Amino acid sequence: AQSVSQHNHHVILSEAASLELGCNYSYGGTVNLFWYVQYPGQHLQLLLKYFSGDPLVKGIKGFEAEFIKSKFSFNLRKPSVQWSDTAEYFCAVNPISSGSARQLTFGSGTQLTVLP
Amino acid sequence: DADVTQTPRNRITKTGKRIMLECSQTKGHDRMYWYRQDPGLGLRLIYYSFDVKDINKGEISDGYSVSRQAQAKFSLSLESAIPNQTALYFCATSDGGFSQLFFGSGTQLSVL
Repeated sequence: AQSVSQHNHHVILSEAASLELGCNYSYGGTVNLFWYVQYPGQHLQLLLKYFSGDPLVKGIKGFEAEFIKSKFSFNLRKPSVQWSDTAEYFCAVNPISSGSARQLTFGSGTQLTVLP
Repeated sequence: DADVTQTPRNRITKTGKRIMLECSQTKGHDRMYWYRQDPGLGLRLIYYSFDVKDINKGEISDGYSVSRQAQAKFSLSLESAIPNQTALYFCATSDGGFSQLFFGSGTQLSVL
C-alpha cells in the first residue's frame, strides 16, 4: 500500500519568513498530488493540486508546490508567511491505476504556527 | 448553505451505544467518503462509495458500517461505540474524475 510522509510535525515561523513543508510518497506509478489546509476549527480545503504538466504548481494565497518525480516529493512552499497562514497542512496522494483514480491517502499533517 | 453537511456537529456517547453520523451533499457528486482524523495520524479512510450500489471498505473499517441511502446521503454507524473511536469524523465527496475532495465541517465524537 502506498504511504505519504510529512516529516515536519510542527513548524513555527515568524511573519515574513519563508516556508517549505516536505511531502514524500511511496507509490511508484502515476499519481495525482494535493495539498489541503485546515484552519483552526474548520474543515479541510484544497490549497493546490498537481495532475500533469508543469511540475511547479501555484495555488491559493501565494502557495506553490513542486513535484519532483525522481524524489517522489511534492513540497509546499511560500516565500513569506502571514499570521493567517497558521493552520494544519496535509499532503495527499491519489494513485492512478489503469487510468482510474483510486482513493486518496493523506499524510499525518504539519501544524504551522506563524508568530506575529 | 454548505455543499456537504454533517450532523451532528458534536456528540458525546457512552461505550456500547450505537450511534449514527449523517452526511448529505448538494454537489451532485457520485462519490462519497468517510474519514476520521486523529492528532498526529492525519486522515484515514473508513468507507467510500462510488455510487448508491457501490460500498467499499477503507483503511480502518472495523467497528464501522455505512449506508448509502441515496446519491446525496451517506451515513456512518458505530454499532457499539468504544473509547478509541473518539475522533473527528469528516464526510467528503468527489466527482467521477476525482478532481478533488470536498469536505463537510466534521463531527467531533467523544466516546466515554
